[in-house]
Parts: sequence; C-alpha cells; structure tokens
Amino acid sequence: DTAVSQTPKYLVTQMGNDKSIKCEQNLGHDTMYWYKQDSKKFLKIMFSYNNKELIINETVPNRFSPKSPDKAHLNLHINSLELGDSAVYFCASSPPAGGYEQYFGPGTRLTVT
Amino acid sequence: DQQVKQNSPSLSVQEGRISILNCDYTNSMFDYFLWYKKYPAEGPTFLISISSIKDKNEDGRFTVFLNKSAKHLSLHIVPSQPGDSAVYFCAASQRGGAQKLVFGQGTRLTINP
Repeated sequence: DTAVSQTPKYLVTQMGNDKSIKCEQNLGHDTMYWYKQDSKKFLKIMFSYNNKELIINETVPNRFSPKSPDKAHLNLHINSLELGDSAVYFCASSPPAGGYEQYFGPGTRLTVT
Repeated sequence: DQQVKQNSPSLSVQEGRISILNCDYTNSMFDYFLWYKKYPAEGPTFLISISSIKDKNEDGRFTVFLNKSAKHLSLHIVPSQPGDSAVYFCAASQRGGAQKLVFGQGTRLTINP
C-alpha cells in the first residue's frame, strides 16, 4: 500500500517536448513538495503546496508548472524540455503539524535527449 | 551557497562496528535536523530527527548528536549491519518557515561483512 506514488518512474523524451509527472499520496497529508536531484546528487526543493495553495516556489524556470487538483495530488508539468532538465524528480508530503518529517515517493528519472 | 554540507562522500565500515556520519550547517536559523536513508532507485526514507533544543536523540541503533555551537551534527549507527549500506542525507529546516528541507549532498555508507 504505497504512501507516496509517482508516475512514470522513467521518462525519456526529446528536447522541446512537454511532459508531466504525477504524484499522489494516501497519507492524508496537507502539504506536498517537488524536489529535484541533479547529476551532482543534490536534492533541492522546487515547489510546495499546502491544501492546494502554492507556498514555496524556489528559483525555478517558469517552464515548470505545478498543479494541485486536490490535496492528495501534486503534478509537475514541464514545457519545452531542455537537456539540463535531466534529473530525478521526487515528490514528497508532510503532515500539517508537529515534526518536519517529509515522506518521499520513489522518484521519476527524466532523461532529455 | 551550500547551507548543509556532508564532507565525506563515502564511508566504509566493518559489520558490527560503529558508523559515524557527519554533517555541518551554516545557517544559524535552522532549528530542526533530519537524517534520511536512500537506497538506489528509491526515494529517501526518514530515519531520525532532532530539534535544536536537544543535543541527542536515540532510536534503536541510531543516535543523532547535535552541537549547536559548532553547527555540527552526526549520526551514529551501532552496531552497523549490511542492510545499512545506503546513501545517507542530512537535512535541515527552519521553524516558522514553509517546512522547506535543505539537504546535504549525501554520504554513501558501505558496510563490509
């Protein structure tokens, strides 16, 4: 019974294409996140939504657009893909109060050719 | 500007001995620290955390130590087991913010039989 799931797990596409990555959590959490792990293995926050409201928007090109149809889902849409977008993208969620633990999905490895 | 640093990219330890993973941070506003464990092709898994009001937190074989004056934390695993072989990420957060986690670049721990 997967807590945070992402689809697809692997995505290979050409430069200039538009693609989406989906994320769903069944933990009842209010807050969801997108992180990017680049080739140097750094994990960096991109976006965060709380109850469908954007609360964190790091310095990310506006080709990246998150969408949260409800608090259990946070999708990431990427327009006009570039080679530098190749990375592993992780979705995460956290409970509304208490500690700061975040629960991560398995990741989506995006390769842009 | 890397606010959380793990200066050892890798560490090799004999099974049964103690593993010590280190992490340094520069932002004095961080007040909550977490360790995550990551296996290949999986998302990071929360391991243990510590609030800045404490200097030690223990959970079974895992203990995290925090030295605020030195802006340093460490994770001790004892005794080390082969299943502990993974990449360990240190992360920090700031209370009152949007629960953004700032990650170190990870340390690959290998437990040798």
